[in-house]
Amino acid sequence: AQSVSQHNHHVILSEAASLELGCNYSYGGTVNLFWYVQYPGQHLQLLLKYFSGDPLVKGIKGFEAEFIKSKFSFNLRKPSVQWSDTAEYFCAVRNQAGTALIFGKGTTLSVSS
Amino acid sequence: ETGVTQSPTHLIKTRGQQVTLRCSSQSGHNTVSWYQQALGQGPQFIFQYYREEENGRGNFPPRFSGLQFPNYSSELNVNALELDDSALYLCASSYDAGGTYEQYFGPGTRLTVT
Repeated sequence: AQSVSQHNHHVILSEAASLELGCNYSYGGTVNLFWYVQYPGQHLQLLLKYFSGDPLVKGIKGFEAEFIKSKFSFNLRKPSVQWSDTAEYFCAVRNQAGTALIFGKGTTLSVSS
Repeated sequence: ETGVTQSPTHLIKTRGQQVTLRCSSQSGHNTVSWYQQALGQGPQFIFQYYREEENGRGNFPPRFSGLQFPNYSSELNVNALELDDSALYLCASSYDAGGTYEQYFGPGTRLTVT
């Protein structure tokens, strides 16, 4: 069965620090990959997605992610975090049937000002 | 454009009872997916409805059932509630059931089973 692993459970950073959140997926075929964010009290929102093409994907709010097929990874990065980036971040892969998203357990990011 | 809405926001039920959760999809969307998010976990896929038919199902027992109506709104029904059913239930809609369509999530319904 497909699965997603997010290795960082809780990350604490100061403002302006750089961010990298790890995500690994299990399926070796064609993959659609996503990063979602859940700000406190808000619903899940799409940060960015990868379907094909350029493996470096840029999303909203200065986030980017790199798809590395050989490593089965899709890590999320941001050069300089802000206090407002405090949220829970979820990596997801679309299942083979194309009907569902399979999510990782999430990473809680806390940014201190 | 109205986003995905869910009702109720919060719900408290007793073990063994039945519950119905409701979801209105975003305007123009014909596909609705339901997810269960337990505390400290990522969302888990329950099932998807496309044009009023179940279009895929995750690893959930038959006491989790659903409906989709002609206006593409949807219901999630859970019978014989168990304590482990306590979770945030998320509804997501998409323009179509194909693999390239983004899923837009609602705010969720927090279900507590006592």
